[in-house]
Amino acid sequence: GQNIDQPTEMTATEGAIVQINCTYQTSGFNGLFWYQQHAGEAPTFLSYNVLDGLEEKGRFSSFLSRSKGYSYLLLKELQMKDSASYLCAVIDSNYQLIWGAGTKLIIKP
Amino acid sequence: DAMVIQNPRYQVTQFGKPVTLSCSQTLNHNVMYWYQQKSSQAPKLLFHYYDKDFNNEADTPDNFQSRRPNTTFCFLDIRSPGLGDAAMYLCATSREQGQPSDTQYFGPGTRLTVL
Repeated sequence: GQNIDQPTEMTATEGAIVQINCTYQTSGFNGLFWYQQHAGEAPTFLSYNVLDGLEEKGRFSSFLSRSKGYSYLLLKELQMKDSASYLCAVIDSNYQLIWGAGTKLIIKP
Repeated sequence: DAMVIQNPRYQVTQFGKPVTLSCSQTLNHNVMYWYQQKSSQAPKLLFHYYDKDFNNEADTPDNFQSRRPNTTFCFLDIRSPGLGDAAMYLCATSREQGQPSDTQYFGPGTRLTVL
């Protein structure tokens, strides 16, 4: 079966750095997305990785290792508005998007 | 601004009373998706349209139907809502499908309550 694993919940402090991990087992791989979802709102696109390595976009960075079936989202200089769920999603060999259940990130002052 | 719009944002219906959720897009994307998302769970794909071609997920109940009369609009019809259908319903679009980098863009969602 296809599976994406993320921690259910994480807590971090305002101004700090947090890394949210995602591991996947899918039938094929055609890329990995990270989305941010605030409570009661729709997911918004953060990043897309298809090659190994680190993609940096402002305070957010996303890393991929295809050989390990692993990605992480790195958030720097955390702000209270970063409190949200972060969803990892993988495109499989049939170009279907397989979603993780998301990691709820709680930021404390 | 180009966007995905969903109406209404909140919908309350009674058990068994049909309801229709609406989605429209100004992105001129070929693909439109309907997802169901329950609290703290991953979005669950119900079906999608590539242009006018309808694709139903194997485990989508018959109670859920969809219509896409044109490129702009897509509707989700729930024929006889049950208590288990209370959820957030998300509409998304992508320019193409089958391309690795085709990002899905989501509307704000409709939260359905079934009394």
